[in-house]
Amino acid sequence: EAGVAQSPRYKIIEKRQSVASWCNPISGHATLYWYQQILGQGPKLLIQFQNNGVVDDSQLPKDRFSAERLKGVDSTLKIQPAKLEDSAVYLCASSLELAGYNEQFFGPGTRLTVL
Amino acid sequence: GQQLNQSPQSMFIQEGEDVSMNCTSSSIFNTWLWYKQDPGEGPVLLIALYKAGELTSNGRLTAQFGITRKDSFLNISASIPSDVGIYFCAGRSRAGGGADGLTFGKGTHLIIQP
Repeated sequence: EAGVAQSPRYKIIEKRQSVASWCNPISGHATLYWYQQILGQGPKLLIQFQNNGVVDDSQLPKDRFSAERLKGVDSTLKIQPAKLEDSAVYLCASSLELAGYNEQFFGPGTRLTVL
Repeated sequence: GQQLNQSPQSMFIQEGEDVSMNCTSSSIFNTWLWYKQDPGEGPVLLIALYKAGELTSNGRLTAQFGITRKDSFLNISASIPSDVGIYFCAGRSRAGGGADGLTFGKGTHLIIQP
């Protein structure tokens, strides 16, 4: 089966500009996650969706970050305006459903550099 | 918030040697997971552990879920060049409303000298 797709793979912007990352989860996966991975660190959860509803966005910097999953399938993460400290890899993951032993599968990430 | 302490931070070993890394937490987790990440890629799941005390193997990999539910270890036997990469532990505790995002350690960077 096809994995989690993300685009773009790489993006370079200047501070105060805006950027968007797109994710298409594994077919049939109801739960979708966005993680931020700063160089040298493990991924950190930003937001979790169940279908098109937000389950957890407690660690999302809502003053500049937003995410949507309007039709419950693919999702977009936006940063506006970007800061230097937003340079990181943004990873999307999906899992089959909330209940049971359903593990998260990760996409390759969008590597963002803010200059 | 929850934090995972993963050690060692990096390992330099000879091909064929065994590897051991571990993760500890100040909080209890319901599930412990071990991922491997290659450069330019997302983490790939290696082993998932669901019960305290559980010992699970996947080929040359063996992992255990600590009895206290606050720690886990991963062993790799007879390392080979393709084992090079960064290994992450991750814990999951299902909160109210179904929130089950993972908490990751900082990773163990495994380097193998031929």
